[in-house]
Amino acid sequence: EVQLVESGGGLVKPGGSLRLSCAASGFTFVSYYMTWVRQAPGKGLEWVSSISSSGKYIYYADSVKGRFTISRDSAKNSVFLQMNSLRADDTAVYYCARSLPYDYWGQGTLVTVSS
Amino acid sequence: AIQMTQSPSSLSASVGDRVTITCRASQGISIDLGWYQQKPGKAPKLLIYGASNLESGVPSRFSGSRSGTDFTLTISSLQPEDFATYYCLQHYNYPQTFGQGTKVEV
Repeated sequence: EVQLVESGGGLVKPGGSLRLSCAASGFTFVSYYMTWVRQAPGKGLEWVSSISSSGKYIYYADSVKGRFTISRDSAKNSVFLQMNSLRADDTAVYYCARSLPYDYWGQGTLVTVSS
Repeated sequence: AIQMTQSPSSLSASVGDRVTITCRASQGISIDLGWYQQKPGKAPKLLIYGASNLESGVPSRFSGSRSGTDFTLTISSLQPEDFATYYCLQHYNYPQTFGQGTKVEV
């Protein structure tokens, strides 16, 4: 059974940092791109970042470029999102998803940026 | 970035109705489009991939089609469990972009 389990969310002050993790199981992790998608409270879905199966190719939304870093560890079957210089508008539920075509998603982890 | 214009933003429907939701891409995206259903407090669920392919386990009342840069999700006979928000996503290039969402309500 494919499972994606996010962790690492929480309350952080503006300018702070958080590192999200997504633990994958039930499939050949090294064969898939992985992606982070977020959803601000009451808003729609926003693609955030994707990383290729090898980790060689990485893509970011303009809204997070230079502040967020995606990475993956094949030994741990995990993908990470290091979030720095957090702002109030980064407040959202963050989902990891197996791409493409995003057939499996995690349950999400809430990140709240507030003083 | 490719813009995905999704319409309507919301619609009222009844059980048994035929429902149509449209996404228009700002440029050609081939068939690199998926449709997702999201219920409150839950992760999105894949319904359609490659513009018209039904994901395994998804009821056949859901279908997708393409005409140029216009993409349509159709629910042939709305069921009580279909009241949700629906999103399209283009993955033709980066940044990938979602439509704004369509809330289907009673």
